[in-house]
Amino acid sequence: EADIYQTPRYLVIGTGKKITLECSQTMGHDKMYWYQQDPGMELHLIHYSYGVNSTEKGDLSSESTVSRIRTEHFPLTLESARPSHTSQYLCASSEQGQTEAFFGQGTRLTVV
Amino acid sequence: QKEVEQNSGPLSVPEGAIASLNCTYSDRGSQSFFWYRQYSGKSPELIMFIYSNGDKEDGRFTAQLNKASQYVSLLIRDSQPSDSATYLCAVNMWDDYKLSFGAGTTVTVRA
Repeated sequence: EADIYQTPRYLVIGTGKKITLECSQTMGHDKMYWYQQDPGMELHLIHYSYGVNSTEKGDLSSESTVSRIRTEHFPLTLESARPSHTSQYLCASSEQGQTEAFFGQGTRLTVV
Repeated sequence: QKEVEQNSGPLSVPEGAIASLNCTYSDRGSQSFFWYRQYSGKSPELIMFIYSNGDKEDGRFTAQLNKASQYVSLLIRDSQPSDSATYLCAVNMWDDYKLSFGAGTTVTVRA
């Protein structure tokens, strides 16, 4: 079983609030990812990281930001939440090399 | 052209039949290929990976890879209602910086 954790699992928040979605893994993986997925729709990569102090934007433009100060931790922040940010956010991690990614349980965000 | 393409389905098969899912990818240098299963409202979970041309079998699942045709498939034998889910094809690009996913194929197994 993969050891990657996301908190909170569910979040309902008002427009304009700042929020941080937490993601932690205990596997020592260098690569970490954030995906956004609307119900019944495909996964979109929004951010990824090769390792500490490395962050890159993914294929889908996002108003969120990420940081990677520690190997195990890859938080995602929205400075001012909007209803268009309502979605499921999935964090994943993998080892260096051609290996599979392990997913956290996701955070379902609703902005009202 | 999308990096990874799958038939979106839905694919409906009777219980006990074989479900066949297809995936094509654009980067000829891709090295590793994965099949994930995602139940509604849940996170994707890995069910198969394949690195070399040919077939790889794991229980009722068989992955097939043809790098020359840039094609990877998944067969589910003796399909069960519990196999009803969306199946995601994922490919590691040659430069290794990310894992790219297809849009997924939704499979429904009729009892």
